[in-house]
This record gives sequence, C-alpha cells and structure tokens, in this order.
Amino acid sequence: EVQLLESGGGLVQPGRSLRLSCAASGFTFGDYAMHWVRQAPGKGLEWVSGITWNSDSIGYADSVKGRFTISRDNAKNSLNLQMNSLRAEDTALYYCAKSARVCYRCMDVWGQGTTVTVSS
Amino acid sequence: EIVMTQSPATLSVSPGERATLSCRASQSLSSNLAWYQQKPGQAPRLLIYGASTRATGIPARFSGSGSGTEFTLTISSLQSADFAVYYCQHYHNWPTFGQGTKLEIK
Repeated sequence: EVQLLESGGGLVQPGRSLRLSCAASGFTFGDYAMHWVRQAPGKGLEWVSGITWNSDSIGYADSVKGRFTISRDNAKNSLNLQMNSLRAEDTALYYCAKSARVCYRCMDVWGQGTTVTVSS
Repeated sequence: EIVMTQSPATLSVSPGERATLSCRASQSLSSNLAWYQQKPGQAPRLLIYGASTRATGIPARFSGSGSGTEFTLTISSLQSADFAVYYCQHYHNWPTFGQGTKLEIK
C-alpha cells in the first residue's frame, strides 16, 4: 500500500524555524517527483514546493520563496521541508504528496498532513 | 504565476441531478489541468488529469472537458458521496490551485 506519513509539525514562534519530514512507503520513491501542499484553517489548497525525482528541478510558491527549502533523500525514502523565518500566515496543515506517473506536477497520493501553527 | 479562478464558489444541487463546475486560467494551459475532490477532514483526491482523463478508480459520472483557459468538471447524477469541495489545479509549470467550489446538497 502506498503511504505518506508527515511529521515535524507543531507550535512555533514567528521568525523561528521548523523542519517537516515525509516518510514514503509502498512505491519506488526515487521514481517520482514530490510536493508539499498546505491548507490554512478553513481555506483552500496552496501548493508550496515541488522537487523532481533526482532533485534537478525545484520550485517554490512566491509566498515561501527564499524562506523554505525542499529536499529529498531517495536512499531513505524521505522528503523534507526546511521552513525558516516563519510567519503567522504559514499556519496550516501541510500535506506531502506524490506526483502522478502521468503528470509530475499533479498529485495522486497524499498524506494526512502535519499541522504547523505559528504564534507567539 | 498563473491564476486559477473557479466558479461558482458554492453550488447547490439535488441528488440525482447534474453539477457543472468551472475553472478559468489566466493564460493558456493546453490540457495541463487536474481536478481534485476534498471531503471534510480528508486529504484531497485526484479525479481528473489532462483536463479530461479520469484517474484510477474514479467513477464514470465524473467527466472533465476544456482546453486553453476554460475548463469544466461535470458530475452527472450526483450521489451523496459527491458533496464536497472541488479544486482545479494547473500543471503547465509549477502548479497553482483554484480557490475551490463547494458542492452542497440542495
């Protein structure tokens, strides 16, 4: 069974850092692009960042560019999101998502998410 | 950045009837458009990619159409499980989502 399990969320003060991780299982992780998507409370989906299978192409939403860094370790089947200079507006449920084989910038498997709350 | 605009924000439809949801892109996407369904407390589910191809396991009552900047998701003969929020997402380059359409029971 294909599974994605996010971790690392929590309560953090504005300006501080947090590192999210996503553990993948049930598929050949190194064959797929991966993404982070977030959803603020009561709001819609916002794509945050994506990374190709071999890390040769990385993208970020304008709202996080320069503050967040995505990375992956194919040997460990893991995806990470380093979040620096956090702001209140970064408060959200963060989903890890696997790209579909047919479109590497769309997502066919999602984790259940990890909650990040930025507040003093 | 490509802006995705969905309409309407909320759509009220009776079970058994047809629902038509719209999505417009700020520039041409060709057919690089996906649709997702999200139910409360759940992660999104991929329904459609390539504007009109159903993802694995998606019932035939879900259909997508359009190309360029105008796209439509149609759900024929609505079932109770279909009432949810629907998002379009472009993948012409790094993706963005529309703001969502809430499909509610009339």
